[in-house]
Amino acid sequence: GAGVSQSPRYKVTKRGQDVALRCDPISGHVSLYWYRQALGQGPEFLTYFNYEAQQDKSGLPNDRFSAERPEGSISTLTIQRTEQRDSAMYRCASSLDTPGYKAERGSYEQYFGPGTRLTVT
Amino acid sequence: RKEVEQDPGPFNVPEGATVAFNCTYSNSASQSFFWYRQDCRKEPKLLMSVYSSGNEDGRFTAQLNRASQYISLLIRDSKLSDSATYLCVVNEPGYSTLTFGKGTMLLVSP
Repeated sequence: GAGVSQSPRYKVTKRGQDVALRCDPISGHVSLYWYRQALGQGPEFLTYFNYEAQQDKSGLPNDRFSAERPEGSISTLTIQRTEQRDSAMYRCASSLDTPGYKAERGSYEQYFGPGTRLTVT
Repeated sequence: RKEVEQDPGPFNVPEGATVAFNCTYSNSASQSFFWYRQDCRKEPKLLMSVYSSGNEDGRFTAQLNRASQYISLLIRDSKLSDSATYLCVVNEPGYSTLTFGKGTMLLVSP
């Protein structure tokens, strides 16, 4: 079936502009995660949703970053007043279930989308 | 959040070699562990979950050592296509998210 999709794949924006990054998870996946990945580093957690509820946003760097998943499927990560330091690969992942709960083995394995490369000039 | 540490490498090995990576984690109560593979400029892809009893998938074997708090990945009979970065991933209890290591780069040469 279809995997996780993200759009746009590439985004170049000028400093101070707002951007919205979209993630479409695997159909039926309950949990959705946003990560940021710098070159040569592993993905860094930003926030995650269980259905439409934002369960953890402790990884969001500051209040310019926000995310929503209003219908429990597609999610949008919004960065307001972008700065050059926001330039990175933004990755979305989804899982059937949520780690930390007693779930079937394998049900909380995360599957990543291709990412959005954001460049702030 | 707790740390997940990996040797960044690169590990340079010839085709057919056996290579092993270790990953250490700091939270002794961590419960779930994974290895992901990431090719250059691509998204991370799940390679295998790591269970307490250890598990094997073809040429790949994952082991968990809770006493020493490390996870290992063994690759036998390396192929050129195994060249990638291998990410160690840990789920800490109380957090419903995953912590990724920085990755270990493997380069398999002819």
